[in-house]
Amino acid sequence: GQQVMQIPQYQHVQEGEDFTTYCNSSTTLSNIQWYKQRPGGHPVFLIQLVKSGEVKKQKRLTFQFGEAKKNSSLHITATQTTDVGTYFCAGTLGNQGGKLIFGQGTELSVKP
Amino acid sequence: GAVVSQHPSWVICKSGTSVKIECRSLDFQATTMFWYRQFPKQSLMLMATSNEGSKATYEQGVEKDKFLINHASLTLSTLTVTSAHPEDSSFYICSARNAEKLFFGSGTQLSVL
Repeated sequence: GQQVMQIPQYQHVQEGEDFTTYCNSSTTLSNIQWYKQRPGGHPVFLIQLVKSGEVKKQKRLTFQFGEAKKNSSLHITATQTTDVGTYFCAGTLGNQGGKLIFGQGTELSVKP
Repeated sequence: GAVVSQHPSWVICKSGTSVKIECRSLDFQATTMFWYRQFPKQSLMLMATSNEGSKATYEQGVEKDKFLINHASLTLSTLTVTSAHPEDSSFYICSARNAEKLFFGSGTQLSVL
């Protein structure tokens, strides 16, 4: 079935280093969303990308949506300990009633 | 942002009993809510889509009679795990869509002894 693949599964960085997680779909997505889940918490919406080639920034976070609308990335510049958590991408298929398919998530740990 | 309330936060029950989990949208109406299951350090697996006033739509492999979903109002959906067994132990989380964004409840950790 339809899957949204996300890599890497884990990423350990030193505070101040950059971090990137990648998301790929085998089929074109209507849009893609990113969520952050802190340890022991629930996913929290970060952003939605809709347009082909779209780039959005939130402070140190940069989100990109590929030209073919099949891949996306989240880049964090100069990580901080508050960035710790699992980042999920979630894609919407237009022919699936708008339901979101979640990637496997990337767990980020930041060493101070 | 929109608020989704989920109760209980955690529950421990004996094998064979049923457990009901509630999901409420507090400041918006949700005609559609989603129920997910999450194992430790894994992704969210969509179990079913709850539709207000109609039957839920279950994902492949999810037993309808095992996981009963009721969405009787625009602000409340319930998931009942019937005759729970240890393999049903998991983190269950609901979400509701508001303006294309998903807002999640705080989740319910179910432990079946």
